[in-house]
Amino acid sequence: EADIYQTPRYLVIGTGKKITLECSQTMGHDKMYWYQQDPGMELHLIHYSYGVNSTEKGDLSSESTVSRIRTEHFPLTLESARPSHTSQYLCASSALSGRYNEQFFGPGTRLTVL
Amino acid sequence: QKEVEQDPGPLSVPEGAIVSLNCTYSNSAFQYFMWYRQYSRKGPELLMYTYSSGNKEDGRFTAQVDKSSKYISLFIRDSQPSDSATYLCAMTLGTDSWGKLQFGAGTQVVVTP
Repeated sequence: EADIYQTPRYLVIGTGKKITLECSQTMGHDKMYWYQQDPGMELHLIHYSYGVNSTEKGDLSSESTVSRIRTEHFPLTLESARPSHTSQYLCASSALSGRYNEQFFGPGTRLTVL
Repeated sequence: QKEVEQDPGPLSVPEGAIVSLNCTYSNSAFQYFMWYRQYSRKGPELLMYTYSSGNKEDGRFTAQVDKSSKYISLFIRDSQPSDSATYLCAMTLGTDSWGKLQFGAGTQVVVTP
């Protein structure tokens, strides 16, 4: 079973607040990812990281930022939340090497911005 | 046009029936094809992956890839209520893509007792 954790699981917050979504994994994986998932829509990659001090923006533009100071930790921050940020955010990780890329997903954080 | 097309369903079947799911894609460079299962309020989990064209079987699950038609399928035999979930297809170019997956929107499957 994958050991990747996300907190909080659910968050309801007002417009303008700063929020940080936590993601941690205990598998020693170098690659980590953040996806955004809306009902009936495909997962969109918003950020990814190859390792410590490496972060890249994904295919979907996002106002969020990420950091990777430790291998196991990949938090996502929104400086000023807006209703358009309401979504499910999924964190995933995978090993650096390998011919295919099994990504292990966390349970997700469902964010609602009022 | 989306790179990966997947019928969102819902697909409702009686217990014991065969579930047939499929995705079409436009990028002929995709090499690895995956099926993820996502239960409600959970993250996706990998069910099966296939490299290039061909079939792969794992218990009640069979994955097929037809690269010439840019079409992939997942079959679930003897479906059970516990198979009720959303099934996501995903694909990637390979190691050069650094693991960036392109997902379909997912098909919701409901297996009724």
